[in-house]
Amino acid sequence: DIQMTQSPSSLSASVGDRVTITCRASQTTSDYLNWYQQRPGKAPKLLIYAASGLQSGVPSRFSVSGSGTDFTLTISSLQPEDFATYYCQQGSTTPLTFGQGTKVEAK
Amino acid sequence: QVQLVQSGAEVKKPGASVRISCKASGYTFTSYNMHWVRQAPGQGLEWIGMINPSGGSTNYARKLQGRVSMTGDTSTTTVYMDLSSLTFEDTAVYYCARDRGTMLRLGYYFDYWGQGTLVSVSS
Repeated sequence: DIQMTQSPSSLSASVGDRVTITCRASQTTSDYLNWYQQRPGKAPKLLIYAASGLQSGVPSRFSVSGSGTDFTLTISSLQPEDFATYYCQQGSTTPLTFGQGTKVEAK
Repeated sequence: QVQLVQSGAEVKKPGASVRISCKASGYTFTSYNMHWVRQAPGQGLEWIGMINPSGGSTNYARKLQGRVSMTGDTSTTTVYMDLSSLTFEDTAVYYCARDRGTMLRLGYYFDYWGQGTLVSVSS
């Protein structure tokens, strides 16, 4: 199974801050790496697919970089609605696996 | 518009079984795989398995094989997930999620999710 490790597990930031979350896979994901945002009590929402595709309707302040096993999600200027938990997910092989999540909290 | 509407919350005793439904609308049901993902209270996301509603083929997480079963009904555009021999560790919110990735040959990823169904296992 491909193990996904995110860091940090949580972070505190202010509106307007630049936020970076990293995701590392235990083996190559063939760039089938996806990112989701989950707000409390809600279903996850797709942000980024296949390592670089911005899902329709997702603001351009969300960007990604990386390939192979190491990926980064960046929020260029944190907005109030961005306080949430973020998950990476490898879509290369089953069993599909998620990172443990990164909670972005208000400082 | 695409919608995935799940059945309501369930409370079950240990050893019992549960069936959750996920009714899809707004797209061609047989064109997209459907996955199930669960989330225990305060925890992360765990993949349970998937079904191809067209042919009915399934692929389950090894951890749950033998206890989980997924089926689809093309006449009602509904997928079902059955989980048997429930334990306290099965307490979670269960989500169905549409897989757009395999349709586009971009791996597996989920563009639409159901609202979630809370399954509570309690004695």
